[in-house]
Amino acid sequence: AQSVAQPEDQVNVAEGNPLTVKCTYSVSGNPYLFWYVQYPNRGLQFLLKYITGDNLVKGSYGFEAEFNKSQTSFHLKKPSALVSDSALYFCAVRDMTTDSWGKFQFGAGTQVVVTP
Amino acid sequence: AAGVIQSPRHLIKEKRETATLKCYPIPRHDTVYWYQQGPGQDPQFLISFYEKMQSDKGSIPDRFSAQQFSDYHSELNMSSLELGDSALYFCASSAGQGGTGELFFGEGSRLTVL
Repeated sequence: AQSVAQPEDQVNVAEGNPLTVKCTYSVSGNPYLFWYVQYPNRGLQFLLKYITGDNLVKGSYGFEAEFNKSQTSFHLKKPSALVSDSALYFCAVRDMTTDSWGKFQFGAGTQVVVTP
Repeated sequence: AAGVIQSPRHLIKEKRETATLKCYPIPRHDTVYWYQQGPGQDPQFLISFYEKMQSDKGSIPDRFSAQQFSDYHSELNMSSLELGDSALYFCASSAGQGGTGELFFGEGSRLTVL
């Protein structure tokens, strides 16, 4: 079974400082990994994905994520955080086993708080 | 660009009543997913449809049913509502199942059961 772990419930960072949101995964085959952001009472917005290729993936709003196969991690990063980045971030893995047909498995989410 | 449309956005029901949520996927998307997100929780997969057939089933209660219609929109029917059904219900769509693409989510339907 596929699984995703986000070890931090909340990450606090000052505006202008680097932001990192951690994610580790467990899959039986090739990992298809995604990051989504959710603002209060809103739907999940896609940020970026890793399917294959370069380990460093660039996405929306200045975010990027680094795929590390040996550490089974896919941490989300932003070089300089903004107050508007304060939101709930979800890491997800797409279950590509034949009986799950691409179902997304989400992590528990990490609340990011960026202070001015 | 067109997004996933969900209706209604807010719904208030009494215990034991029924509710129906609707989802209109992005044009040319043939796969629809339903998720339930309780307060402070991650989205839990309920059920998905591909080309109008159920493709996968998650933690959907027997009191709930869903279907996808010929125009690819989907409806989630919930009966004998319980207080614990209060949650944000998301619909997502994608082009094809089993692919590498991301899911596109709607804004959600917030169900409150009193």
